[in-house]
Amino acid sequence: KNEVEQSPQNLTAQEGEFITINCSYSVGISALHWLQQHPGGGIVSLFMLSSGKKKHGRLIATINIQEKHSSLHITASHPRDSAVYICAVRDPNTGNQFYFGTGTSLTVIP
Amino acid sequence: DAGVIQSPRHEVTEMGQEVTLRCKPISGHNSLFWYRQTMMRGLELLIYFNNNVPIDDSGMPEDRFSAKMPNASFSTLKIQPSEPRDSAVYFCASSPGHNNEKLFFGSGTQLSVL
Repeated sequence: KNEVEQSPQNLTAQEGEFITINCSYSVGISALHWLQQHPGGGIVSLFMLSSGKKKHGRLIATINIQEKHSSLHITASHPRDSAVYICAVRDPNTGNQFYFGTGTSLTVIP
Repeated sequence: DAGVIQSPRHEVTEMGQEVTLRCKPISGHNSLFWYRQTMMRGLELLIYFNNNVPIDDSGMPEDRFSAKMPNASFSTLKIQPSEPRDSAVYFCASSPGHNNEKLFFGSGTQLSVL
């Protein structure tokens, strides 16, 4: 049973394309995190959100609590956006336990 | 701020040896998390502390794993005895508060148990 499902698993895009990565979850959540892991292995937290929408530069994250769904959008994609994007949720019903998606591997081609 | 600092970056050891991973959180952060990442299972939360107190260790795989946070600026994750299946990248992360705040990750420790 996967509490968090991401799609697609792999994504290849041309530079400049608009990209969407989806995350669906089955548990009640107190917050959802989007993480970025670069090929070197380091992990960066992009967003933490519990409702609505957040924007940071070319990145936009949205969440629909009723539908238990979140999307991460990248506008005007660039090769440096190539990374694995991981969705994670915290479930208040299990002591704020973290559940992670398996990640979406994004490759942006120049 | 230097960010979350983990050491060592890489550790290679033989089965049965004790392994100690170290983490220094960002100064002023009250919560500290230990994660493990493998190809098979992805990222998993092992344990997290709030104000140096372990809050949830349900992710710790078995008794061979133990974690301590003796003060606000230091935590260790110990594996004794280590086994090949413990090979993974271990990440430490900290956040300013207890609930639902942004996470700041260390660079990770790549552990290989031969």
